[in-house]
Amino acid sequence: SQQGEEDPQALSIQEGENATMNCSYKTSINNLQWYRQNSGRGLVHLILIRSNEREKHSGRLRVTLDTSKKSSSLLITASRAADTASYFCATDVYQKVTFGTGTKLQVIP
Amino acid sequence: ETGVTQSPTHLIKTRGQQVTLRCSSQSGHNTVSWYQQALGQGPQFIFQYYREEENGRGNFPPRFSGLQFPNYSSELNVNALELDDSALYLCASSPRDREQETQYFGPGTRLLVL
Repeated sequence: SQQGEEDPQALSIQEGENATMNCSYKTSINNLQWYRQNSGRGLVHLILIRSNEREKHSGRLRVTLDTSKKSSSLLITASRAADTASYFCATDVYQKVTFGTGTKLQVIP
Repeated sequence: ETGVTQSPTHLIKTRGQQVTLRCSSQSGHNTVSWYQQALGQGPQFIFQYYREEENGRGNFPPRFSGLQFPNYSSELNVNALELDDSALYLCASSPRDREQETQYFGPGTRLLVL
């Protein structure tokens, strides 16, 4: 079963715009991670935010976590065509990682 | 530092057959997790191995089994294949002793069951 659900399921934006993806989950977590997957290949880890953190930045990525609402968001600023991929949130509960359903992002050059 | 590798990259089997997928973990990593990803879905946790012992399992039947070897490489075995087993199988390794939660994924093995 999927712990998290991403919203929207699909997103299409112009290059240079910002992209925001949301993730909701059901149970208490140790941390939440975001991954990117290109064309059905292996997943690439983007960023990890612990349950006691509220916001984290990495380059053009900004992640927020609201444990009271059991939700997280991933913001990609100044998007590029190379950001076109599927993005997944994954919750970690004592080393058991559960992935969401994913957001398919298309960045149009 | 070498990354996570998986073999084979693609595989075609028929219903009822058995399959073994292999994963070499990243150097220094002692934990390997396996995931099944159906088309258009997120990865589903199958099980995790830590120092050659199973350390957690998802909602998969016993015909999904695994091994981890002393060098921390791992195998996923699936018996009595069913059509619904067609998926991308991903393994991921992590250095659990250092309490790093980040997993490093291999490129996956795409299995087609006919």
